[in-house]
Amino acid sequence: RKEVEQDPGPFNVPEGATVAFNCTYSNSASQSFFWYRQDCRKEPKLLMSVYSSGNEDGRFTAQLNRASQYISLLIRDSKLSDSATYLCVVNTNAGKSTFGDGTTLTVKP
Amino acid sequence: NAGVTQTPKFRILKIGQSMTLQCTQDMNHNYMYWYRQDPGMGLKLIYYSVGAGITDKGEVPNGYNVSRSTTEDFPLRLELAAPSQTSVYFCASSKTTGVSYEQYFGPGTRLTVT
Repeated sequence: RKEVEQDPGPFNVPEGATVAFNCTYSNSASQSFFWYRQDCRKEPKLLMSVYSSGNEDGRFTAQLNRASQYISLLIRDSKLSDSATYLCVVNTNAGKSTFGDGTTLTVKP
Repeated sequence: NAGVTQTPKFRILKIGQSMTLQCTQDMNHNYMYWYRQDPGMGLKLIYYSVGAGITDKGEVPNGYNVSRSTTEDFPLRLELAAPSQTSVYFCASSKTTGVSYEQYFGPGTRLTVT
């Protein structure tokens, strides 16, 4: 079983749709959690950190459920520019990072 | 402030050759990482370092070596290149604030071994 598993996708949605991505992790010692965005043939860039209390940044909302070892990302009112691969990342307190394989989103006009 | 820089951007190696991928960061970050990304896959951690003089293996260290003599530099050495090492290599660094390890990535090195 992979340490970090994401919805395989791809997700193809129309503009304006709401889409949710899920991620589960197996290491209960994990301490910090992130969503990164990666555009084609580019480096990943931080989208947002994920906190137990949940956090929101504009159209993006991230949630963490430590008991279920589950992370989610919700994108509301999808834009064409949201098309990318979204990577779930889990870190231990020792600084070791584990990435999921990513979920690809395509937003269509 | 250049962030994380990597050289070279592209490289073609013959089987059995060796090379060093360079990575430098100017943000005074303690933590640095090397990842590889195969087509359609996520990033796999090769090695990481929590500070100068300290390195540790990640998920896929075989065939690679690293050193960290300064805070700024974290080179990755490939010895005896194999076709299985064809991949995109990303270097990253992060500051440490409590349990936060947000990573900043370099633009990547695209390596082909033939």
